[in-house]
Amino acid sequence: AQSVTQLGSHVSVSEGALVLLRCNYSSSVPPYLFWYVQYPNQGLQLLLKYTTGATLVKGINGFEAEFKKSETSFHLTKPSAHMSDAAEYFCAVRDSSASKIIFGSGTRLSIRP
Amino acid sequence: DTAVSQTPKYLVTQMGNDKSIKCEQNLGHDTMYWYKQDSKKFLKIMFSYNNKELIINETVPNRFSPKSPDKAHLNLHINSLELGDSAVYFCASTPFETAGNTIYFGEGSWLTVV
Repeated sequence: AQSVTQLGSHVSVSEGALVLLRCNYSSSVPPYLFWYVQYPNQGLQLLLKYTTGATLVKGINGFEAEFKKSETSFHLTKPSAHMSDAAEYFCAVRDSSASKIIFGSGTRLSIRP
Repeated sequence: DTAVSQTPKYLVTQMGNDKSIKCEQNLGHDTMYWYKQDSKKFLKIMFSYNNKELIINETVPNRFSPKSPDKAHLNLHINSLELGDSAVYFCASTPFETAGNTIYFGEGSWLTVV
């Protein structure tokens, strides 16, 4: 069975600092992994995804994530936080045999001026 | 143009009422979903339709009935609303049902039952 765990329900960083949002997954077959962002009062929007190929995936707004099979992780990073990055971030996993995507519980990112 | 649009955005209603949320996608996608996001931001799938056919029906009360008149529309009707139905309901779509496809979400419908 698939599952996804996001460590830290709330992360706060200073503007210009490194952003690191953690995601670990469990899947019995090679997973497809996603990060979605939800801005206040809006729907979810895809940041990036890993399907196959290169394990370092670049997304929109300067975010990237690295698929590490040995660590069953797909952490999201951004070198320099911007105030506009404040939002809720969801990691999600799906495997090729599954009929549905499983979302993590979300991490709220706050940016301090 | 909004890719996945849902109406109404906000809905406040009394317990026991019946209400509907409409959803339309103009992306030409075959698959549409309804998700429920609770007050703790936990997101869970309710229903999935592919070309008007029901694929996934999670353990959702029978009071919730989706209807897909065509593949571009997926409406959600809720009978006898309860306080616990208060949540944000997201409509979403994807080109077709395969693991690596991106899911496109609407902006949500905030339902408050009083």
